[in-house]
Amino acid sequence: GENVEQHPSTLSVQEGDSAVIKCTYSDSASNYFPWYKQELGKRPQLIIDIRSNVGEKKDQRIAVTLNKTAKHFSLHITETQPEDSAVYFCAALHLTSGTYKYIFGTGTRLKVLA
Amino acid sequence: EAGVVQSPRYKIIEKKQPVAFWCNPISGHNTLYWYLQNLGQGPELLIRYENEEAVDDSQLPKDRFSAERLKGVDSTLKIQPAELGDSAVYLCASSLVTSGIGAEQYFGPGTRLTVT
Repeated sequence: GENVEQHPSTLSVQEGDSAVIKCTYSDSASNYFPWYKQELGKRPQLIIDIRSNVGEKKDQRIAVTLNKTAKHFSLHITETQPEDSAVYFCAALHLTSGTYKYIFGTGTRLKVLA
Repeated sequence: EAGVVQSPRYKIIEKKQPVAFWCNPISGHNTLYWYLQNLGQGPELLIRYENEEAVDDSQLPKDRFSAERLKGVDSTLKIQPAELGDSAVYLCASSLVTSGIGAEQYFGPGTRLTVT
């Protein structure tokens, strides 16, 4: 079936450094790719998303890049801060039989060390 | 604007007992999703509603799980009987899909179910 692979599963960076999380999807028809941040015991919250008609999107310290040919998309966080520590999930919109489903990655636990 | 509301937040039951979860989506959102999230994993779709219609329930274990969304607003997810493997967080999400697909999902806080 369709899936989304996410790497790494854990990531530790020093405060102020950059963090990059990568995802690969299998459905070439996928056209929408959201990223969620989930703090411990809390709900997933959308932090940025990208559609297949653009290659990059930026929002302050967060950016997402998309390579449709390689079916890769990545989350980039610059100037990391301790409050960026959380689990991050990527997702891809899987299109099937006239309907759709969001397929989530397995998550990356980001730790920003002060 | 209130976000997606779920209750209860936590539930502990013995195996073979029934349990129900309730979700109130964001006002005006026509699409409602129920997800299951195991520890250390991403959410997995159980069922998706568009208004009152369950348009994707292919991942819902229908022998023990059921769901309803009466009047196209609130939704209830039920498990009967619960099994040990059902212990997980059950997330509800909603979105406003006006054209096509790819609408932003807003998640509720989830219900953490423990089956003993």
